[in-house]
Amino acid sequence: DTEVTQTPKHLVMGMTNKKSLKCEQHMGHRAMYWYKQKAKKPPELMFVYSYEKLSINESVPSRFSPECPNSSLLNLHLHALQPEDSALYLCASSHLGLANTGELFFGEGSRLTVL
Amino acid sequence: DAKTTQPPSMDCAEGRAANLPCNHSTISGNEYVYWYRQIHSQGPQYIIHGLKNNETNEMASLIITEDRKSSTLILPHATLRDTAVYYCIVSSSNTGKLIFGQGTTLQVKP
Repeated sequence: DTEVTQTPKHLVMGMTNKKSLKCEQHMGHRAMYWYKQKAKKPPELMFVYSYEKLSINESVPSRFSPECPNSSLLNLHLHALQPEDSALYLCASSHLGLANTGELFFGEGSRLTVL
Repeated sequence: DAKTTQPPSMDCAEGRAANLPCNHSTISGNEYVYWYRQIHSQGPQYIIHGLKNNETNEMASLIITEDRKSSTLILPHATLRDTAVYYCIVSSSNTGKLIFGQGTTLQVKP
């Protein structure tokens, strides 16, 4: 299984809603990532987890709250978002130490629309 | 992490080699060069990476100049399915941070 599975594929939410994006992998990877991608722009790194601990937070607003409950799962909790947060949210995973494989495995993304 | 500069767009004829350049003049000694591509509406896909030696795999070849200030990704026989945005990324493997630049949109034409 070389897949990263993201759910839901599409999500529409109001600015007062609380929702979550989910990401799952069963490749034994111990590093997991959240990226945000606006239309016609490159992916922007948001968070990196290593061994289920948050290792990188790229100054992301607190209305985005990541969680890594175990080595296979990564969540992104969303609360009080703004319309400008509408984007494609990509999850990825990798072995620790990118020098060996260099490879991040990306999911297909969750497309979020904030009304 | 060092920044990269890529041309915004390139065309390539189907069946010909596609050579995608990348400048990374501020690269540090412990930083690798990674290439990813993103086909429309899909997540990015790893292609290849290297430190200083040229690398080849089933998808592509990576040529890194001796001073490591630039590199070229070569798709030996481009097909229509290779139409995508290609990202060159420079990063230390220790940080786990892959920061995507603007990339090159490669259009393969029949």
